[in-house]
Amino acid sequence: GESVGLHLPTLSVQEGDNSIINCAYSNSASDYFIWYKQESGKGPQFIIDIRSNMDKRQGQRVTVLLNKTVKHLSLQIAATQPGDSAVYFCAENNDSGYALNFGKGTSLLVTP
Amino acid sequence: SAVISQKPSRDICQRGTSLTIQCQVDSQVTMMFWYRQQPGQSLTLIATANQGSEATYESGFVIDKFPISRPNLTFSTLTVSNMSPEDSSIYLCSVGYGGSTDTQYFGPGTRLTVL
Repeated sequence: GESVGLHLPTLSVQEGDNSIINCAYSNSASDYFIWYKQESGKGPQFIIDIRSNMDKRQGQRVTVLLNKTVKHLSLQIAATQPGDSAVYFCAENNDSGYALNFGKGTSLLVTP
Repeated sequence: SAVISQKPSRDICQRGTSLTIQCQVDSQVTMMFWYRQQPGQSLTLIATANQGSEATYESGFVIDKFPISRPNLTFSTLTVSNMSPEDSSIYLCSVGYGGSTDTQYFGPGTRLTVL
């Protein structure tokens, strides 16, 4: 099947800086995208989602950008904090429309 | 969002045995899914648990190895049968309330080690 992938496997940022995590997807039929945060020993936690009829959506300290032309998704975290250290996954709805295809994940490390 | 619990949270099993993992949600949900996350890897969908009918399995996963039940709108089980060390993974339950553009929420996962 088609896949969702990430450009960078690891990202190290200083506390207070902004973080950008990127994701490329290949299924042009996908119409829903989600970012999840997974801390060690826990299940994925929903961060923010976006539908394909939008190109930007903002949450608390997070922004998701969707570029359908180049099939690119990004997650921006403002003023990154130590508690943001985790693995971040992008996901898209799969061919059935209901379940999700996950990207490989990016490990974000926030240093003091 | 839903509150999802899984039992057991972790287990260590001998090869050749089977383990049943339970997923309980605090509210009725439309969709329930089972995913596998191998060590250091991303999540892979095993199957969609359908209430009152057989689960829908993804390519590479079969009912004999991963039988699934979903007797009602708040509960599902996944059995990992005839286990081998390659089955050592985190098994995750997720739920959704409606259509294809609705958020999915995940349980805490079951960490399985097969010796």
